[in-house]
Amino acid sequence: NAGVTQTPKFRVLKTGQSMTLLCAQDMNHEYMYWYRQDPGMGLRLIHYSVGEGTTAKGEVPDGYNVSRLKKQNFLLGLESAAPSQTSVYFCASSYPYEQYFGPGTRLTVT
Amino acid sequence: AQTVTQSQPEMSVQEAETVTLSCTYDTSESDYYLFWYKQPPSRQMILVIRQEAYKQQNATENRFSVNFQKAAKSFSLKISDSQLGDAAMYFCAYRSGSTGANSKLTFGKGITLSVRP
Repeated sequence: NAGVTQTPKFRVLKTGQSMTLLCAQDMNHEYMYWYRQDPGMGLRLIHYSVGEGTTAKGEVPDGYNVSRLKKQNFLLGLESAAPSQTSVYFCASSYPYEQYFGPGTRLTVT
Repeated sequence: AQTVTQSQPEMSVQEAETVTLSCTYDTSESDYYLFWYKQPPSRQMILVIRQEAYKQQNATENRFSVNFQKAAKSFSLKISDSQLGDAAMYFCAYRSGSTGANSKLTFGKGITLSVRP
């Protein structure tokens, strides 16, 4: 039982490049989330999903897209990376109340 | 919209002493959950303790306990017998009691706790 895993753990992108962050959970949770963590800002919700095939915008969705084609996977995409997207990204899953977090992905956009 | 406020950015405690981390929140809901998460230097988010708003009794987990004041919308975390391993950033978080689109967590900005040997 691996819990919540994230791939990759670190990545450096150049401005304008694209990438996809993968989140996988093996707990059969319905709900999944993507957060970003910036110094002094806490964690802010980017997008979330309440079930397979459904996604919704969170607090800071601009510049990101997501997909939930399989219940266990939640993908976060950056179509054209910008330096403002330099952050640590966390995926989480829950059902019903407690959220379990992945180890995070540190992304740097130069 | 719900908000969570952690007004102290940093705190320090002597090893073996007790420290209290403050958190206030704002909501118009009556059914909700409150959490404290710990984030050590490893970056992993670890759930410390959970409080259901409908429960009057304060939650306790070993050396960690909360002081939940529903009317004052206050949710503080007390760490007893502080250990070096308690040094971390601590986040207070709020979750609505309803499901679906309201299932997301709202976090405070966090407080960095250091433990002096």
